[in-house]
Amino acid sequence: QKEVEQDPGPLSVPEGAIVSLNCTYSNSAFQYFMWYRQYSRKGPELLMYTYSSGNKEDGRFTAQVDKSSKYISLFIRDSQPSDSATYLCAMSASGGSNYKLTFGKGTLLTVNP
Amino acid sequence: GAVVSQHPSWVICKSGTSVKIECRSLDFQATTMFWYRQFPKQSLMLMATSNEGSKATYEQGVEKDKFLINHASLTLSTLTVTSAHPEDSSFYICSARDWNQPQHFGDGTRLSIL
Repeated sequence: QKEVEQDPGPLSVPEGAIVSLNCTYSNSAFQYFMWYRQYSRKGPELLMYTYSSGNKEDGRFTAQVDKSSKYISLFIRDSQPSDSATYLCAMSASGGSNYKLTFGKGTLLTVNP
Repeated sequence: GAVVSQHPSWVICKSGTSVKIECRSLDFQATTMFWYRQFPKQSLMLMATSNEGSKATYEQGVEKDKFLINHASLTLSTLTVTSAHPEDSSFYICSARDWNQPQHFGDGTRLSIL
């Protein structure tokens, strides 16, 4: 079993839809959870950063972490064509100096106008 | 805030040459920088981790003599691909972080070895 599982999609939705992206993980030591957005031929851009369980909202984006289920989600409200990208979940056990990220494989999202 | 600049964005060179890629944190001090490699339609593969003023820590299977990493200051790290060959062609991405902060990524360097 891989440490982080993420459905690669592709996921195609109409403009204005609510998008739900998810990752599951097996390592109970993970405490820091991130969502990155990556456009084609660009580096990943940090969207959300959360510590431990709970919800975090930033504009149209909401991140949820359920450590008891080892499940994290990213919701995008009122999706726009500019949201079309690959979304990577990432997580880490430590926030210290040498912490490493474990990534999901990424979900390719297309928002159709 | 938290801008990471990577240069060059694209480089094409002949087999056997060495290529240097720079990674700079523009508005914060990067206590740790990371170098990744990404193949088409795949996720990022960590190559090495470097702390300012220390030797880089390489992941298993990454040749340290092939991929030289220098992190001489809190805002600059470089990756040199020595004696590059076509199999080294890839998308290389750096990231940087300050203590207890998430990683922020550069825009990547597309390396093509002919």
